[in-house]
Amino acid sequence: DIQMTQSPSSLSASVGDRVMITCRASQSISNYLNWYQQKPGKAPDLLIYVASTLQSGVPSRFSGSGSGTDFTLTITNLQPEDFATYSCQQSYSLPYTFGQGTKLEIK
Amino acid sequence: EVHLLESGGTLVQPGGSLRLSCVASGFTFSSYAMSWVRQAPGKGLEWVSGVYDDGGSTYYADSVKGRLTISRDNPRNTLYLQMNSLRAEDTAVYYCARWVGLPSYFDSWGQGTLVTVSS
Repeated sequence: DIQMTQSPSSLSASVGDRVMITCRASQSISNYLNWYQQKPGKAPDLLIYVASTLQSGVPSRFSGSGSGTDFTLTITNLQPEDFATYSCQQSYSLPYTFGQGTKLEIK
Repeated sequence: EVHLLESGGTLVQPGGSLRLSCVASGFTFSSYAMSWVRQAPGKGLEWVSGVYDDGGSTYYADSVKGRLTISRDNPRNTLYLQMNSLRAEDTAVYYCARWVGLPSYFDSWGQGTLVTVSS
């Protein structure tokens, strides 16, 4: 199975900041990498698919980059509603696997 | 608007069985693959199982293979997860998700149903 490792596991930031979350795959997954946002007690929401394509309705302050084994989710101009847990997921091969999540907290 | 509503989660003893359901609305259910994804308390997301649009192909994580069975009833717009020989480590919130393929991602999720395996 492909292992997905996110860093950091948690992150503190302020409204208006720019943050970057990284995701590393244990083998090359081309650009088959998705990002999800999850708020406490809620289901995940799709943010980005195939590494850099923004899901419909997602604000443009979210962006994704990377290919092969290393990927980055960038959030610019953090808004209060962005404080949540972010998870990456590879869809290169079954079984699909997720990163352990990065909790973004308010500083 | 896509809507997925899971049900069936409850407290069950180790070794017991349970069937989860997910009723879909707002889209043509029979045109989409579907999956179950779970999340143990305080843990990350884990893909459990998936089924293609016609139900002809099913896929499982090794951790559940042989114990959990995914199926669907397209005329009833319903996805199922039959859970047998349950273990404590199966305790989790189970989400159904619409599985978009090629490229593949989960673009809509239900609110989840909690399965607790404990004596």
